Amino acid sequence: NAGVMQNPRHLVRRRGQEARLRCSPMKGHSHVYWYRQLPEEGLKFMVYLQKENIIDESGMPKERFSAEFPKEGPSILRIQQVVRGDSAAYFCASSSRGGAAGSYEQYFGPGTRLTVT
Amino acid sequence: ELKVEQNPLFLSMQEGKNYTIYCNYSTTSDRLYWYRQDPGKSLESLFVLLSNGAVKQEGRLMASLDTKARLSTLHITAAVHDLSATYFCAGTFRGSEKLVFGKGMKLTVNP
Repeated sequence: NAGVMQNPRHLVRRRGQEARLRCSPMKGHSHVYWYRQLPEEGLKFMVYLQKENIIDESGMPKERFSAEFPKEGPSILRIQQVVRGDSAAYFCASSSRGGAAGSYEQYFGPGTRLTVT
Repeated sequence: ELKVEQNPLFLSMQEGKNYTIYCNYSTTSDRLYWYRQDPGKSLESLFVLLSNGAVKQEGRLMASLDTKARLSTLHITAAVHDLSATYFCAGTFRGSEKLVFGKGMKLTVNP
């Protein structure tokens, strides 16, 4: 049973370009979460999605960032017109609510490390 | 604002020693998690604590939860070099599914 998959693992973009980060949740999971980790910092929540729905986007910057989780295919985190401050590691996690012992555990992917030059 | 605070943020210890690290949070938690992260890697789940008084142990690590004190501890017994990593605590609060993370504690165990 494959874990959470993210691609690309490393992404380099020039300022002003667009970045697209993909996340495929674990098999059977329908809940996806995106987190951002700045160097030497903890993870910060960005957005929580279910299939075709955004449940909580309270951590998303108001501009340039968007996320989707279509009925078919991976979840996408899209960053338009990237700036140097967007350089970070972006982690996706997935869960199956009501899973083992009702713990709602989130399983993390390997992350995408975005560098903006 | 929800806050999760860890201390210490950096710890260097000798192999064979014991130590406890702390995680305080600012409001009633639903669930409390501990994760491990190696440099350049993803997060590995260590423990999920659901209720007051919960205690879980895995190998040399033991986690506990005191919801009244809004405190979780991670106790390290007889540390070994392989435990060197960054340890995060995180919680979910007020029915929300999002994890609120502490800043992490970077642990170095010296041979």
